[in-house]
Amino acid sequence: DAGVTQSPTHLIKTRGQHVTLRCSPISGHKSVSWYQQVLGQGPQFIFQYYEKEERGRGNFPDRFSARQFPNYSSELNVNALLLGDSALYLCASSLESNQPQHFGDGTRLSIL
Amino acid sequence: AQTVTQSQPEMSVQEAETVTLSCTYDTSENNYYLFWYKQPPSRQMILVIRQEAYKQQNATENRFSVNFQKAAKSFSLKISDSQLGDTAMYFCAFMGSFTGANSKLTFGKGITLSVRP
Repeated sequence: DAGVTQSPTHLIKTRGQHVTLRCSPISGHKSVSWYQQVLGQGPQFIFQYYEKEERGRGNFPDRFSARQFPNYSSELNVNALLLGDSALYLCASSLESNQPQHFGDGTRLSIL
Repeated sequence: AQTVTQSQPEMSVQEAETVTLSCTYDTSENNYYLFWYKQPPSRQMILVIRQEAYKQQNATENRFSVNFQKAAKSFSLKISDSQLGDTAMYFCAFMGSFTGANSKLTFGKGITLSVRP
């Protein structure tokens, strides 16, 4: 079975632009979470979705938004990009919202 | 709010030796889960081992085992017979156990483990 897949692998944007990152969970997994990992640090929680509803939001500005689709895939959107948004964005899926999370390879976002 | 602390930024171990990675956490919850994740240079976060707080028995997975001290809020990872492929960043993580609620992972800053040949 395929694991969590994320696209694109790498992305380069400039300040002020917007970006959409995509995630497909493991088949059968209903919960998707998004994390931001700045170089040299642990991942920080951004959002969690379960059955297309937002279950939790981390301490991130409103420029960050997400959604989950009927097939449980998810998108993370970031508007008005800042240099500080440069990071590895990780998506994780789990069977239920309180089950172990399995991560994708991440999307490396670089802001110039 | 929960916090996870990994105070050792780096560790090094000789191949085939044993190494212990430390982690402490703070929470007011009584039931929760603790995890160790491994992140090699390939960057994928891989689940190494999981511990439920209500279980007194320490979890083991092949060469990996934990020492869970609930009262001390300590959760260390022991890697036996270290292999070159164990070289990676290791993250300790906390998750509350409320069903249906937000079950985010709270991570520590991580520790870089290098296994020397």
